[in-house]
Formats: sequence, structure tokens, C-alpha cells
Amino acid sequence: EILMTQSPGTLSVSPGERVTLSCRASQSVNTNLAWYQQKPGQAPRLLIYAASTRATGVPARFSGSGSGTEFTLTISSLQSEDFAVYICQQHNSWPGTFGQGTKLEIK
Amino acid sequence: QITLKESGPMLVRPTQTLTLTCSFSGFSLNTSGVGVGWIRQPPGKALQWLAVIYWNENKQSSPSLKSRLSITKDTSRDQVVLTMTNMDTVDTATYYCVYSEEAYFDFWSGLYLNWVDSWGQGTLVTVSS
Repeated sequence: EILMTQSPGTLSVSPGERVTLSCRASQSVNTNLAWYQQKPGQAPRLLIYAASTRATGVPARFSGSGSGTEFTLTISSLQSEDFAVYICQQHNSWPGTFGQGTKLEIK
Repeated sequence: QITLKESGPMLVRPTQTLTLTCSFSGFSLNTSGVGVGWIRQPPGKALQWLAVIYWNENKQSSPSLKSRLSITKDTSRDQVVLTMTNMDTVDTATYYCVYSEEAYFDFWSGLYLNWVDSWGQGTLVTVSS
């Protein structure tokens, strides 16, 4: 199975800041990568699939990029509702494996 | 509006079989490309795919758990059922029913692949004697 590694584990940021989260795959997943947002006590929510395609209803401040083994999720200007855990998942091979997540906390 | 809701026991004894039911609405499991499956999340750990069933009757299970898993669908009742045998304490987790709208076929592996478009609220299953 492909190992997905996210860094950093926790990131302290201020509202309004631009933030970039990283996700690395142990082998190439082409552009078959998704990002999810998970808030405490809630199910994950799809943000991005195919590395850079925003899911329906996802604000434009969220953008994804990357290919192969290195991917990033950028939030252009953090809003209060964006403080959550962000999880990447490769959908290049079965079973699609997930990263451990990066937690965004308020600085 | 797509909704998925998990139901089943909150507590299971070691060695027992877990049966979870996902009741869904807002889509049809007869629609091409659609898949419904199960993902779990042990406390403080990463999400893990368990199994998925597709519109065309194809089923896929996690290789590491394949011998313990079974997934079936009842299209007339809009339900998907997961059974997991020989439960252990390490299987304690929140179990999510999930929906994928656009599964695609990977010719290299002969398997379907997908991201998750919608998630149920999840149900915490504790395995303890």
C-alpha cells in the first residue's frame, strides 16, 4: 500500500494568513490525490480531487496542486471556519490510503 | 441532497461479527459510476478504506482485511451492509459509510478507484469484553 505522509502535524496560523499544507506519497500517484477537511466530531468533507479540482461548493480560497509524489493544499486567506484537520488521500491504487492529517490551529 | 446514515451496534465483544447497515438517499446505486463503501477511523489514527460496492456489482475490499469482510447491497431498500468477522479490540473505531459518484476503472490493476464525495456522520464501534 502507498504510504501518505503529511507535514507538518500541526500548524499555528492567524486568520487572514495564507497557508500551504504538504502531502507526500511513497510512490507516484500521478495526479490522483484528494484533500478532505475534518472538524472535531464531524465526518470529513471533500475539498479537492484529482489534485486540483475543487469539489462542488468549496470556496475558491482552497486550491490544490502537485503531481507524482508531492502535493500541496493552499488556503489563500484563512477564515475562522477553516481551522480544522486536513487529510490527503491517494486514489491512484486500491485501497486509497490516507495521510494522518495536518491540524490547523489558531495562533 | 445526498445523505448516508450508519446503523449497528455500539459495542461488540471480541470474536463476534459486526454488522453495519448504511441507509442512503439522494442517489441510486444503479447509476453508472456510483460506489458506496465503508471507511473507518480508529481513535487518533488515520482513515482506512474497508470495502466498497459499485453500481455494476463489483466489490473491493482492503487486502489486509479481505478475509474478514463482506459487503452487499440492497438496491430496492437503498442500503449497503458491511459484515466484519472475528472482531478484536484493535477494530475499535468510528465507521463511516461513504459515497463516490465517479468511480473510474484502472486497467493496470483491473480495479475501480475513487475519492469520497460524501460521508455519513459515522458510528463509533467499541470492541470490548
